[in-house]
Amino acid sequence: SQQGEEDPQALSIQEGENATMNCSYKTSINNLQWYRQNSGRGLVHLILIRSNEREKHSGRLRVTLDTSKKSSSLLITASRAADTASYFCATDAMTTGNMLTFGGGTRLMVKP
Amino acid sequence: GAGVSQSPSNKVTEKGKDVELRCDPISGHTALYWYRQSLGQGLEFLIYFQGNSAPDKSGLPSDRFSAERTGGSVSTLTIQRTQQEDSAVYLCASSLDVSRATEAFFGQGTRLTVV
Repeated sequence: SQQGEEDPQALSIQEGENATMNCSYKTSINNLQWYRQNSGRGLVHLILIRSNEREKHSGRLRVTLDTSKKSSSLLITASRAADTASYFCATDAMTTGNMLTFGGGTRLMVKP
Repeated sequence: GAGVSQSPSNKVTEKGKDVELRCDPISGHTALYWYRQSLGQGLEFLIYFQGNSAPDKSGLPSDRFSAERTGGSVSTLTIQRTQQEDSAVYLCASSLDVSRATEAFFGQGTRLTVV
């Protein structure tokens, strides 16, 4: 079963707008990561946030983590058409041998 | 190597035939994962190898699926007596050491089509 669930499943915005995607999970985690996937092939790592961190930035990406609510959000600021992709959160936990478990993903479309 | 390599990139097979999918992880990575992804869907966990520990096979959908990792490096996912519902992209990923927080590196996947 999936540990993480992304919300919304699909998001369509105009270029220049901000995109926010959310991820909820069920059990205590060690770390949470966000990945991006273009065209249904390999995933690319974007950012990792540890369970003792609350916020992290990388370029136009901002990730927050609320362990009390078991949720995370990914914000992409000033979106570009090239940001069009699917975005997945992944968690690892001691209870599952530290393996990575992925959610269902959010499909983001940025219209030029 | 430069990254995770999977072969073949695409595979079309007839229903009932066996297929082998190969994954070459990044050298030195102790963790290796296989996932399956149907069109427009999320990643379905299949199997996880971590160092010399027994693999976590809890995600394998049936006994037609098996995987091995030889010498802690190359992995082969075998699907016996393929069915049409096995059609999907099979993704392999490796990471350096799961005892520390490290990212996973993905191959480009094998697109399997069972006709």
